[in-house]
Amino acid sequence: DTGVSQNPRHKITKRGQNVTFRCDPISEHNRLYWYRQTLGQGPEFLTYFQNEAQLEKSRLLSDRFSAERPKGSFSTLEIQRTEQGDSAMYLCASSLAGTSGILAFFGQGTRLTVV
Amino acid sequence: ILNVEQSPQSLHVQEGDSTNFTCSFPSSNFYALHWYRWETAKSPEALFVMTLNGDEKKKGRISATLNTKEGYSYLYIKGSQPEDSATYLCACRGGTSYGKLTFGQGTILTVHP
Repeated sequence: DTGVSQNPRHKITKRGQNVTFRCDPISEHNRLYWYRQTLGQGPEFLTYFQNEAQLEKSRLLSDRFSAERPKGSFSTLEIQRTEQGDSAMYLCASSLAGTSGILAFFGQGTRLTVV
Repeated sequence: ILNVEQSPQSLHVQEGDSTNFTCSFPSSNFYALHWYRWETAKSPEALFVMTLNGDEKKKGRISATLNTKEGYSYLYIKGSQPEDSATYLCACRGGTSYGKLTFGQGTILTVHP
């Protein structure tokens, strides 16, 4: 499978616990994005990496959220001290800089439920 | 800040009907408009990317148009089939973003056999 891969697909956690999600982008893609989608809304941008550099973070990304992309390959998104409001679908996408139109390819997402 | 709106929020049609959705976006600082189809338990699938005013794209029974001057795009589905049932998302990319997409809330299409 050469598409964007996200793990786990589903995560149920108790309020206050930490969770970490992983995204493996398409191998030659140097841009990686994280989005969050809640019920009835479209995906909202969280953060963006070009190679290993995190170049933009949304104001939605509170101090409890941290994302990394070591060596410019896979990325992780960690949420500390989860709250019920963090329950959402977390989507990862990747693209190749310089491509006309910059088509972004998405993973299947990680659905987080905080109980 | 881009504000992307889609209408309707949901749509129920019978198999064989043709249908269309609207995506509106700010016409200033526009770079590209993307349409995605998102089926349950799958990845959002890219349908079209359009950049130029007057662009028209077609993929099978699905087509899309773009008007950047007035800030809207239409997605058309001809002869809807049950397998077309999905959420259709449009997303706008501004000229100063690094490919960051601002999504509308989506149109949920249900095609009844």
